[in-house]
Amino acid sequence: AQSVTQLGSHVSVSEGALVLLRCNYSSSVPPYLFWYVQYPNQGLQLLLKYTSAATLVKGINGFEAEFKKSETSFHLTKPSAHMSDAAEYFCAVIMDTGRRALTFGSGTRLQVQP
Amino acid sequence: DTAVSQTPKYLVTQMGNDKSIKCEQNLGHDTMYWYKQDSKKFLKIMFSYNNKELIINETVPNRFSPKSPDKAHLNLHINSLELGDSAVYFCASSHERDPYYGYTFGSGTRLTVV
Repeated sequence: AQSVTQLGSHVSVSEGALVLLRCNYSSSVPPYLFWYVQYPNQGLQLLLKYTSAATLVKGINGFEAEFKKSETSFHLTKPSAHMSDAAEYFCAVIMDTGRRALTFGSGTRLQVQP
Repeated sequence: DTAVSQTPKYLVTQMGNDKSIKCEQNLGHDTMYWYKQDSKKFLKIMFSYNNKELIINETVPNRFSPKSPDKAHLNLHINSLELGDSAVYFCASSHERDPYYGYTFGSGTRLTVV
């Protein structure tokens, strides 16, 4: 079955520091991977997606993620955190076979300290 | 213009009542979804409809009944509300042939059952 695992339910960084949010997937076929962000009391916004065109994917707000098949990972990074990046981040997957429904990881809350 | 709109945004009701949440999308998508986000922020798919046809029906109590009058609308009716139904419900939409572009989510309906 398809799934994604997000390591770390809470991550705290200082403003200006590197942001690294981890996501690993389990799949025997190439997955389609996504990162979504949820700001407090808001809906989900697509940050970026991997659809096999390129392994390094750039998204909105300075975020990027690299698909590493050998590590079955799709970690989200940002070189320099801003206070406005504080939010909940979700990794998600759609498989190319079967049901093709977006399945989410458990989420990582990012806190940015001044 | 809001792409995926849900009403109401907040819903507080007593146990045993029946309530509905409405969702509309103006993106021309042909597939719509309902997700439930629990108090721990975990997101789980409940239903999906493609061109008014039910595609995904997860293990959801039959007190929950989705209805799609046309491909731009997907409503969720809940009978005999229970305390455990308290959650945030998100509507989303996508193109069935291109789900890999990601889903567009509404801003959510926070349901509180007292």
